[in-house]
Amino acid sequence: DAGITQSPRHKVTETGTPVTLRCHQTENHRYMYWYRQDPGHGLRLIHYSYGVKDTDKGEVSDGYSVSRSKTEDFLLTLESATSSQTSVYFCANWTGADSPLHFGNGTRLTVT
Amino acid sequence: AQSVTQPDIHITVSEGASLELRCNYSYGATPYLFWYVQSPGQGLQLLLKYLSGDTLVQGIKGFEAEFKRSQSSFNLRKPSVHWSDAAEYFCAVGAQGSGQNFVFGPGTRLSVLP
Repeated sequence: DAGITQSPRHKVTETGTPVTLRCHQTENHRYMYWYRQDPGHGLRLIHYSYGVKDTDKGEVSDGYSVSRSKTEDFLLTLESATSSQTSVYFCANWTGADSPLHFGNGTRLTVT
Repeated sequence: AQSVTQPDIHITVSEGASLELRCNYSYGATPYLFWYVQSPGQGLQLLLKYLSGDTLVQGIKGFEAEFKRSQSSFNLRKPSVHWSDAAEYFCAVGAQGSGQNFVFGPGTRLSVLP
């Protein structure tokens, strides 16, 4: 159990509205990640964080921003949602070295 | 940059039959390799990992995988599939000390016939 909780689990929103997804970890791992999952693409990295207030872009960061004000929380914001951002979003953490990523259960976002 | 391919988008096997899911990777150094399983509506659960040493690794739920450097492959196997194994399977390659450099394959969806 990675101790990761994502909220909400499902969300439907309209094009142009802002959306924030939350990731909460019970352990104080330094590294956290946001991925999106789309058919045929596997998981693609959106943004990641290597500490409080330390974040960086991933492969598909356009249209997304993140914030990490506390070790346990990592927020993903879509400033103005578009239909192309309809996806399943996963948060993960990493303990470092040769460890695997550990994932939350995902948030299914639909932008209409 | 590393990459991962999973040639089979969808595989169907009968319950009790053997299974092999293919994974090929591209990476400049010795990779860390992982297999994850995703049940519907769930997150990704780690099945097994290869870091170094013995090229045949055992995982949970009766799965195993073999690292073949010469073929750049890390195929997942199970001798006898159970209906509960129906899920999507993802191969991933990672780099030591670099969590942001995990790369995932597109996934293989496994269906199991009764």
